[in-house]
Parts: sequence; structure tokens; C-alpha cells
Amino acid sequence: DAGITQSPRYKITETGRQVTLMCHQTWSHSYMFWYRQDLGHGLRLIYYSAAADITDKGEVSDGYVVSRSKTENFPLTLESATRSQTSVYFCASRAGAGNQPQHFGDGTRLSIL
Amino acid sequence: QKEVEQDPGPLSVPEGAIVSLNCTYSNSAFQYFMWYRQYSRKGPELLMYTYSSGNKEDGRFTAQVDKSSKYISLFIRDSQPSDSATYLCADSGYALNFGKGTSLLVTP
Repeated sequence: DAGITQSPRYKITETGRQVTLMCHQTWSHSYMFWYRQDLGHGLRLIYYSAAADITDKGEVSDGYVVSRSKTENFPLTLESATRSQTSVYFCASRAGAGNQPQHFGDGTRLSIL
Repeated sequence: QKEVEQDPGPLSVPEGAIVSLNCTYSNSAFQYFMWYRQYSRKGPELLMYTYSSGNKEDGRFTAQVDKSSKYISLFIRDSQPSDSATYLCADSGYALNFGKGTSLLVTP
């Protein structure tokens, strides 16, 4: 099916472990984004990518790493998970420049014990 | 201070009421404004997308932008229980700057 899919939908892990969240879109959108959503903070940008092999930091990028070797995939890695990274993570994509709307996946709910 | 401020609510209204959801933004350089609706345990979905000042209607929904006061509004007419969700306003730079969302409950 066309769209944007995230996996896994739910993940529980322990502090210090490496975790990778996957994001795949079938629209061939140039731009992709990772946000985290927390009570009291709303959606905050972690990283974004304007094209394959082009990535840039957002508001809350510390402790996260991204890559974009293919246009359709944009994985997010927590190198050494901390409890403060417990959150719901959303991936989004956009066809072009800033006047285009973003389309979101259904999120990954990540708990770090 | 966030670039987009939004009253978190919660807001509870009876079915059939007119709902007004409001945001303010601080960066006058932004030209595009969006409203997203988010159901529980789902991703935000685009509801309305506006450019510049004025009103835009789509069925029961009207989005309004007042650039002189940096005010964004969403009106829902004849509200339904299925409208119960969190509503997020956003302005658009290289990414979206979201408000924190307003939780709406429409009771039958």
C-alpha cells in the first residue's frame, strides 16, 4: 500500500542499548522528518533530510543518528538509549519545499527501562 | 517560547456545537499554516492547509489566518463525536513548527 510506514509500532528496551526505528515511504518524497511527541512538549523535530545522503539536525538531535542512503528509507538510531528518550516517534515525508504539507506515519511507541 | 502557541485544553463541547480552536505564532516570515488532527495512538493527519490571510472552508471546517495579529483559528461547525481528537496547528518553515495541540471531546 502507498504511504508511510513505521516499524516497529511498539518497542521496549533497556538503557544503554542501541535501538533503530525504521521509516519507509512509497511516494518518492524528497523530504523526510523525524519528530518525537511528549506530553507538555508536543511534536519536536529531531532530524530531517532534504534528499538521499543529505541530513540535518533539528531541535532535539542529541543522542540520535540518522542515515538516508535511499530516498524511501529514513532510519533513526538511538546509539545508547536513555530513559529521557522514552517517547512516541513519528516519521513524516513531504514532496518538496516548505509550502507542501507533511504526511505522517502512525508512530513508534518506545519505552526505555 | 515555542514559535507556535496553542491552548492545550481539554475542550469539551456537546454534539452540534461550534468549536473554535486558536493558535498564535511569532515568526512573521512564515506564509503557510496547517491544521492537523490526531486520533489516539495514530499519527497526525492533515486537515486544513492555508496560505496568507483570510478564510478557507472545507465542509464543516473553516481555517482562518490573521497575519496582522499572527492568529490562526480552526472552526468546526455541527461538531460530531467523531471530531473528538487532538488538533495541532503548525506553521511551515524548513520543517513544521507545531503548537502543543488542543484536546477536543465532543459528547453525544
